[in-house]
Amino acid sequence: QKEVEQNSGPLSVPEGAIASLNCTYSDRGSQSFFWYRQYSGKSPELIMSIYSNGDKEDGRFTAQLNKASQYVSLLIRDSQPSDSATYLCAVNILFSSGGSYIPTFGRGTSLIVHP
Amino acid sequence: GAVVSQHPSWVICKSGTSVKIECRSLDFQATTMFWYRQFPKQSLMLMATSNEGSKATYEQGVEKDKFLINHASLTLSTLTVTSAHPEDSSFYICSARDISDDYEQYFGPGTRLTVT
Repeated sequence: QKEVEQNSGPLSVPEGAIASLNCTYSDRGSQSFFWYRQYSGKSPELIMSIYSNGDKEDGRFTAQLNKASQYVSLLIRDSQPSDSATYLCAVNILFSSGGSYIPTFGRGTSLIVHP
Repeated sequence: GAVVSQHPSWVICKSGTSVKIECRSLDFQATTMFWYRQFPKQSLMLMATSNEGSKATYEQGVEKDKFLINHASLTLSTLTVTSAHPEDSSFYICSARDISDDYEQYFGPGTRLTVT
């Protein structure tokens, strides 16, 4: 079973702090990784994609990928109450039976940013 | 860009009836669309992968005769919940993958189905 693991949380941080969200995956051959934000009752929204080892920054968000450790993380700087949501890690896993990449999601981490 | 729409956004139907949900990619072509179901406070569950012009691939445990998927064009996929029962009440979300990008997928706003 190819899996994506996340701590369900909730992760509670004060406003202005850095929130660190983590994700591990089991398929060593995975090449593409994504972070989505999902507000309650809404569908997921793509925040970041990352394909290469290292860091990728976009505004207050930084995605970090370490393929050797099979680990991807998301840092949110200067956290705001509006960042309170569930953050989903997704990994495209190659299914040999169909030859296509199928997105596999973690269960999500609930983030609470309190004023 | 990369907008995916779903229709309807919510629907209430009686037990035993069928409901069709449409998923459209508005500004890009999508060879692959995915259908998910999400129960309250639970994670996304992939139901099936829909490829334009071919039969959908269903995940284990998802009844293909109950959840009919049609992907007749590069911009439209439909999910029909047949003979709906109250346990089918859920949040159904589609996503689409741009034909020019084999990696990223974009989600529709979801359809909330309530079966009474």
